[in-house]
Amino acid sequence: EDKVVQSPLSLVVHEGDTVTLNCSYEVTNFRSLLWYKQEKKAPTFLFMLTSSGIEKKSGRLSSILDKKELFSILNITATQTGDSAVYLCAPDKVSNFGNEKLTFGTGTRLTIIP
Amino acid sequence: DVKVTQSSRYLVKRTGEKVFLECVQDMDHENMFWYRQDPGLGLRLIYFSYDVKMKEKGDIPEGYSVSREKKERFSLILESASTNQTSMYLCASSQDRNEKLFFGSGTQLSVL
Repeated sequence: EDKVVQSPLSLVVHEGDTVTLNCSYEVTNFRSLLWYKQEKKAPTFLFMLTSSGIEKKSGRLSSILDKKELFSILNITATQTGDSAVYLCAPDKVSNFGNEKLTFGTGTRLTIIP
Repeated sequence: DVKVTQSSRYLVKRTGEKVFLECVQDMDHENMFWYRQDPGLGLRLIYFSYDVKMKEKGDIPEGYSVSREKKERFSLILESASTNQTSMYLCASSQDRNEKLFFGSGTQLSVL
């Protein structure tokens, strides 16, 4: 059975701090891993990681994948209150029908205190 | 920008009622998905569709059915709603089989 574990479950930091969110996974027919940010209702896409060791960056956010150790991290530097959200990771796999589908982790709830 | 629209933000239904959740996307995406999100369980895939009139079961299809008569519209149906179907329902779409999902704003369904 596919497994996705995110840690920590919850994190509270002060504005300006740097945070690291973790995602470990065990999925068959792994293809890529995606990160989403969910502030209120609709998750919004952050990154898609396909290759090991190649960091993807977007402003203060960055992410990297380790396909050997089966995990990914999401870093946020100089955090701001607008970073408060639930961060979801989702390994993508090829299903039995040949169509990829995502398996989501339960998320890390990040709260930034001003 | 891609827009995925879910017809209701909040819905309250009685046990045994038939419930329709509607989702429309405006970017001609091939793939559409229905997830439910519950505290501590994350997003779980109910059904997905990769073409008109095509549907595939996700991880938790029991108690649900879907309909995709037009490319832009994907409906989730609860034939006889039960209290354990109280949840946040999220619709999503994607163009390619391995591309990112675009999500709707969700429907919070309460079954009393």
